[in-house]
Amino acid sequence: QSALSQPASVSGSPGQTIIISCTETSNDFGHFESVSWYQQYPGKAPKLLISHVTTRISGVPDRFSGSKAGETAFLTISGLRADDEAAYYCYSFTNTASVFGSGTTVTVL
Amino acid sequence: QVQLQESGPGLVKPSETLSLTCDVSGHSISLPYYWGWIRQSPGKGLEWIGSIYWTGITYYNESLRSRLSLSVDTSKNQLSLRLASVVAADSAIYFCARHVGAFLTSFDPWGPGILVTVSS
Repeated sequence: QSALSQPASVSGSPGQTIIISCTETSNDFGHFESVSWYQQYPGKAPKLLISHVTTRISGVPDRFSGSKAGETAFLTISGLRADDEAAYYCYSFTNTASVFGSGTTVTVL
Repeated sequence: QVQLQESGPGLVKPSETLSLTCDVSGHSISLPYYWGWIRQSPGKGLEWIGSIYWTGITYYNESLRSRLSLSVDTSKNQLSLRLASVVAADSAIYFCARHVGAFLTSFDPWGPGILVTVSS
């Protein structure tokens, strides 16, 4: 079980806004302010979307945004599109190790 | 443009050692960056295996530490992974990736991954 907990699935209709949470379930992540988010299509390598909680990577649509409140980070996808259907993972690290979140499958209805 | 490419055997027998390499192009591996290995079992999530600094300093997933060895070969601009005493649960797609910025921060870019199956 990952120390970063995500909902197994989130769904929404085209045009809607969805939010994926990533909650630190231990107190080990002194670098939780460096949470990053990845999008992965089946059979493909993950792609970095957001780094350092809120920094959108060049080329990533501004429909994707990151935020954090306490020990929970959020990935918001607004204006949901069919090609947003993918798996999404959060990631963080401590002084000695790294961990990925459990992953969230986004379904566009 | 940095590109990474994993290579190695697609099939490894149980109890043997899995050896993978990651060729890095467009970027000298001798620059001060961390590099990581990640795996994904079929239908499962991402699992961090370990990371290595260009000087050879390593950070390992505790669950794999006793069987894992990561190294860098600056002459070949290549990363290597060795995982000993493999079992079926080690069957996965193995990715190499570069950490962006300081320490074990986000991963970008990634290699396409290589599927490794552990089976007799």
